[in-house]
Amino acid sequence: AQSVTQLGSHVSVSEGALVLLRCNYSSSVPPYLFWYVQYPNQGLQLLLKYTTGATLVKGINGFEAEFKKSETSFHLTKPSAHMSDAAEYFCAVSDFGAGGFKTIFGAGTRLFVKA
Amino acid sequence: SAVISQKPSRDICQRGTSLTIQCQVDSQVTMMFWYRQQPGQSLTLIATANQGSEATYESGFVIDKFPISRPNLTFSTLTVSNMSPEDSSIYLCSVTQSASNEKLFFGSGTQLSVL
Repeated sequence: AQSVTQLGSHVSVSEGALVLLRCNYSSSVPPYLFWYVQYPNQGLQLLLKYTTGATLVKGINGFEAEFKKSETSFHLTKPSAHMSDAAEYFCAVSDFGAGGFKTIFGAGTRLFVKA
Repeated sequence: SAVISQKPSRDICQRGTSLTIQCQVDSQVTMMFWYRQQPGQSLTLIATANQGSEATYESGFVIDKFPISRPNLTFSTLTVSNMSPEDSSIYLCSVTQSASNEKLFFGSGTQLSVL
């Protein structure tokens, strides 16, 4: 079975600083990888995804992530944090099971941005 | 994109009762899923709702406790049966228009508190 590990349940950065949220996965097949974001009092929304092709993927709001097969990682970065980036971020992997594809989520990382 | 209406948005229930949560999508979708997000935790997949047949449940979840219906391609219900305080959680309906789950759309969730 596939799994997702997010390192750090809480990350705090200053406004304007680099954001780095770590995600490692385990998979026996080429994975589909995702980052979802949950803003306070809102539903989850897709931030970015990797399926095939270019390993550096860009998402909304200036975020990007790089798929590194050798490291089984899919870390999320943003060069300069903004106050509005404060949210919960979930790394996810798509797994194929008895009922078809299903998405498995990591434990989440809450990002705090300090003024 | 898909717009998901989930109701009720929140409810407070007594121990031993049951609650049915509805999920309505504004367009036909391939897959529908039900997730649970317990306080401070990540999303856990309960089951895949299959049209016209029994849902596919994940390990730790059973039909008697969480019966699911999906009568057509735009609607599903999840019932939380014989509730206990441990069932207090946010329940999320999620859909995809791709069989490979390349993008999930989420409803705003149902916040359930069991007294």
